[in-house]
Amino acid sequence: AQKVTQAQTEISVVEKEDVTLDCVYETRDTTYYLFWYKQPPSGELVFLIRRNSFDEQNEISGRYSWNFQKSTSSFNFTITASQVVDSAVYFCALILSGAGSYQLTFGKGTKLSVIP
Amino acid sequence: DTEVTQTPKHLVMGMTNKKSLKCEQHMGHRAMYWYKQKAKKPPELMFVYSYEKLSINESVPSRFSPECPNSSLLNLHLHALQPEDSALYLCASSPSKAGKNEKLFFGSGTQLSVL
Repeated sequence: AQKVTQAQTEISVVEKEDVTLDCVYETRDTTYYLFWYKQPPSGELVFLIRRNSFDEQNEISGRYSWNFQKSTSSFNFTITASQVVDSAVYFCALILSGAGSYQLTFGKGTKLSVIP
Repeated sequence: DTEVTQTPKHLVMGMTNKKSLKCEQHMGHRAMYWYKQKAKKPPELMFVYSYEKLSINESVPSRFSPECPNSSLLNLHLHALQPEDSALYLCASSPSKAGKNEKLFFGSGTQLSVL
């Protein structure tokens, strides 16, 4: 069975600080996909990134960056120069890549509060 | 703006009521999902429709009855719910066949309260 652990339940930072959200996963499969979703107070989950298990290249998108390390089974998410609009719950998730694999395994989420 | 529209945004119902949640997408997606999310918890998968056919039912009680009238619409019919069913119900869609590791597009959800 798969497992995703987001050890940080809640984080508070002051605006413009950098913040890293941790995600550690467990799976015996060698092929899988990892995701990050953002859930603002409005409720909808917003897709941020998808990474397959064979692509360990780190990614940067504006103020967002992701560090995928298979050696430590981690897929951490960093927000640079945080803004109040970044306040949300962030979920890390994993899905196996096999046929018929439909179930996203979510972590419990990290609530990020950015204080002006 | 989300491209998956859910109505109503809020719903309060008694345990004897019958109500329906609606979800609509016009992105041509062929897989649609219902998730249930309790406060401070991650979403939990309830149902998956792939090409308008129910492909996954995650052992959901029969008081929840999904329906997919066409490729753009997904309903969740509610009857004789319990207070513990109070939660945020999220609809999602993905481009093609469920289980292809595609990103999901979520609606804003219906916040359901069962009295």
